[in-house]
Amino acid sequence: SYEMTQPPSVSVSPGQTARITCSGDALPDKYAYWYQQKSGQAPVLVMFEDSKRPSGIPERFSGSSSGTVATLTISGAQVEDEADYHCYSTDRSGLQRVFGGGTKLTVI
Amino acid sequence: VQLVESGGGVVQPGRSLRLSCAGSGFTFTTYAFHWVRQAPGKGLEWVASISSDLPDKWYADSVKGRFNVSRDNSRNTIYLQMNSLTTDDTAKYHCARSYGDHDGFDFWGQGTMVAVSS
Repeated sequence: SYEMTQPPSVSVSPGQTARITCSGDALPDKYAYWYQQKSGQAPVLVMFEDSKRPSGIPERFSGSSSGTVATLTISGAQVEDEADYHCYSTDRSGLQRVFGGGTKLTVI
Repeated sequence: VQLVESGGGVVQPGRSLRLSCAGSGFTFTTYAFHWVRQAPGKGLEWVASISSDLPDKWYADSVKGRFNVSRDNSRNTIYLQMNSLTTDDTAKYHCARSYGDHDGFDFWGQGTMVAVSS
């Protein structure tokens, strides 16, 4: 079955740039989506189709994808950005929908 | 926009449960819907999807043959019928929508908890 891999944790100081990666063999052909999930809350879409930011998401959030790796970048991370971040995509057929394992971002 | 899940609870292994997800504040029929679960302390796991029309359905291997997703457009509601439950099915179940059948999910509900325990 198709899998995507994220680092379990990323830690930065406030104001630094946080980069969270997601690796998957189908990513050259399929879009990546990113979700922010704060403790006890539902996930929120923060990036779609690799690099498009939904309305209401701060400009410090950006996304990119190159080869088999998609990256979510938070430029000037804030304490309120502390959360779990999950990437999402599909296998090449589009039928198997998959989340990465999630990355816990700590901003301290 | 709202997606409100209901129907969760505590159930014994081998039993069944049906979850519901009611949508409001948007044109329900133009969206595909999905069930995603999250076991305590774990990541997100896609469970099932249903397309906006026909409708087509897709399932994760872990639930195929046991779970059935359906929709009632007259009630703006989707359902997840879960049969032959095991302890591995214990999780919070979220419904989510997407504009295209294979697009990512742009809005999620808060979820309903299912605990499978004897």
